[in-house]
Amino acid sequence: AQSVTQLGSHVSVSEGALVLLRCNYSSSVPPYLFWYVQYPNQGLQLLLKYTTGATLVKGINGFEAEFKKSETSFHLTKPSAHMSDAAEYFCAVSPQGAQKLVFGQGTRLTINP
Amino acid sequence: EPEVTQTPSHQVTQMGQEVILRCVPISNHLYFYWYRQILGQKVEFLVSFYNNEISEKSEIFDDQFSVERPDGSNFTLKIRSTKLEDSAMYFCASSEQGGSYNSPLHFGNGTRLTVT
Repeated sequence: AQSVTQLGSHVSVSEGALVLLRCNYSSSVPPYLFWYVQYPNQGLQLLLKYTTGATLVKGINGFEAEFKKSETSFHLTKPSAHMSDAAEYFCAVSPQGAQKLVFGQGTRLTINP
Repeated sequence: EPEVTQTPSHQVTQMGQEVILRCVPISNHLYFYWYRQILGQKVEFLVSFYNNEISEKSEIFDDQFSVERPDGSNFTLKIRSTKLEDSAMYFCASSEQGGSYNSPLHFGNGTRLTVT
């Protein structure tokens, strides 16, 4: 069965600093990979996804993630944090051809002024 | 932008009672889903629904759970006899096409179910 591990349930960075949220997956074959964001009192919103092709994918709000097969990782980055980035971030995988998503436990990102 | 809407935002019920969580998916979407998140735990897949039948379900989705699309707009999750451990945030989602890779899932804001 596929699983997702997000390292760090809480990450705190200063405004303008680099954001790095870590995600590792376990799967016998490369799955499809996703990052979702949840702002307070809202649903989950897709940030970006990797299915095939270029391993560096760009998403909304200046975020990007790189699929590294050798490291089974799909870390999320943003060069310069903004106060509005404060939210909970979820990494998820989907077996190829399947409908369901398997989520990590989430990382709460706090931005310090 | 079209949204998935869920009602109510918070539901409190007594153990053993039946509860129905309601969702209105995006109008041109054909695939519907329920996920849940117990406080402090991961978001978990419950069930997917297409063409008026369940297409996939998890081991969590036992006989106490059922889903229905009673009309052209609503998608409901029923829990027949709630247990304390059913307390969670329940998310409805919909997508235009099947397969999470084909089209993204659009999630509602969730219904927080509290079983006392």
